[in-house]
Amino acid sequence: EVQLVESGGGLVKPGGSLRLSCVASGFSFSTYSMNWVRQTPGKGLEWVSSISFSSNYIYYADSVKGRFTISRDNAKNSLFLQMDSLRVEDTALYYCASDGTGDFDYWGQGTLVTVSS
Amino acid sequence: DIQMTQSPSFLSASVGDRVTVTCRASQSISTYLNWYQQKPGKAPKLLIYAASSLQSGVPSRFSGSGSGTDFSLTIGSLQPEDFATYYCQQSYTIPRTFGGGTKVEIK
Repeated sequence: EVQLVESGGGLVKPGGSLRLSCVASGFSFSTYSMNWVRQTPGKGLEWVSSISFSSNYIYYADSVKGRFTISRDNAKNSLFLQMDSLRVEDTALYYCASDGTGDFDYWGQGTLVTVSS
Repeated sequence: DIQMTQSPSFLSASVGDRVTVTCRASQSISTYLNWYQQKPGKAPKLLIYAASSLQSGVPSRFSGSGSGTDFSLTIGSLQPEDFATYYCQQSYTIPRTFGGGTKVEIK
């Protein structure tokens, strides 16, 4: 059974940092591209970042470019999102999701990030 | 960025009804269109990929069609467990973008 388990969310002040993690099991993690997708009541679902299986290709949404860094450790079946210079508008539920062929075929349960003073 | 527009935003229907949700892309995306179902407090679940391919384990009452800019998701006979919010998403280009969602409610 495919499982994706996120962690690392929490309450942080504007300008602060958080590091999200996602541990994968039940599939060959090292052969899949991975993504972070966030969801807010106001803006709905928003793709944040993608990383190829070998980390050779990395993409970011314009809204987070220069502030967020995606990475992975295939030996530990883990995906990460380093979030710096956080803004109030980054408040959201953050999901990690595996990449089928551009679709998001499996999702974790999400980790909540709240940016507030 | 490619904008995805879903209609309607809300849909009220009864068990057994045939339901159709539409999604329009701001430019042609061939068949690079995916559909998700989300229930309250849960992550989205992939239903349909590449416009019309049913994800493994998804009931056959769900179907997708369309190409270019206009797409639809149809539920052949609405079941109680189908009351949820449905999202389309384009995988034609980066950034991947989602529609605003269609909430299917019980009439």
